[in-house]
Amino acid sequence: GNSVTQMEGPVTLSEEAFLTINCTYTATGYPSLFWYVQYPGEGLQLLLKATKADDKGSNKGFEATYRKETTSFHLEKGSVQVSDSAVYFCALRDYGGSQGNLIFGKGTKLSVKP
Amino acid sequence: DARVTQTPRHKVTEMGQEVTMRCQPILGHNTVFWYRQTMMQGLELLAYFRNRAPLDDSGMPKDRFSAEMPDATLATLKIQPSEPRDSAVYFCASGLALKTSDVAPNYGYTFGSGTRLTVV
Repeated sequence: GNSVTQMEGPVTLSEEAFLTINCTYTATGYPSLFWYVQYPGEGLQLLLKATKADDKGSNKGFEATYRKETTSFHLEKGSVQVSDSAVYFCALRDYGGSQGNLIFGKGTKLSVKP
Repeated sequence: DARVTQTPRHKVTEMGQEVTMRCQPILGHNTVFWYRQTMMQGLELLAYFRNRAPLDDSGMPKDRFSAEMPDATLATLKIQPSEPRDSAVYFCASGLALKTSDVAPNYGYTFGSGTRLTVV
């Protein structure tokens, strides 16, 4: 079945450090891939997406590249800020068998210290 | 910006009581999802609707949970009777499907801010 695996957190970084949150997936079809962010006390917000192999999604300094050969969609940011502290969810949508439902990873909590 | 509105934001109730959570999807969206978030299980899909019809509610405990869309502007999730293990944050999300079988390509979903339910 379809699934998403994220690195376990929490991840604690100092401001301006480089961030990588790993995400790998298993899918039967050709999924679209997403990163969502959840700030404390809020719902999930779409951060970025990629719909086919080698696509790069980017937003607010975050990037992730759809790697079909390694079935990965790792999230990166070159210089994190305290305001980036949140929980990050990797997700996929497979158009094959799941009627377009999103499948989420468990989430990775990021804490950025000043 | 268009928003998905959920009410109430917080609810504390006693075990055995009925709880109703409401969601107003974004105008024009035809797909509505209910998710539950807990520390142990993460995000779990409970049910979802397309054009107000339930497509999948296999994630819901059928004996106590029910989900409905009385009209296109309102989705409800009801728990009766509530139990302490139902304590969680419940999220509604909406999206637009251009095909009858799927949410539109390239679209994510828009989530509401959630209802934090505590059953004591």
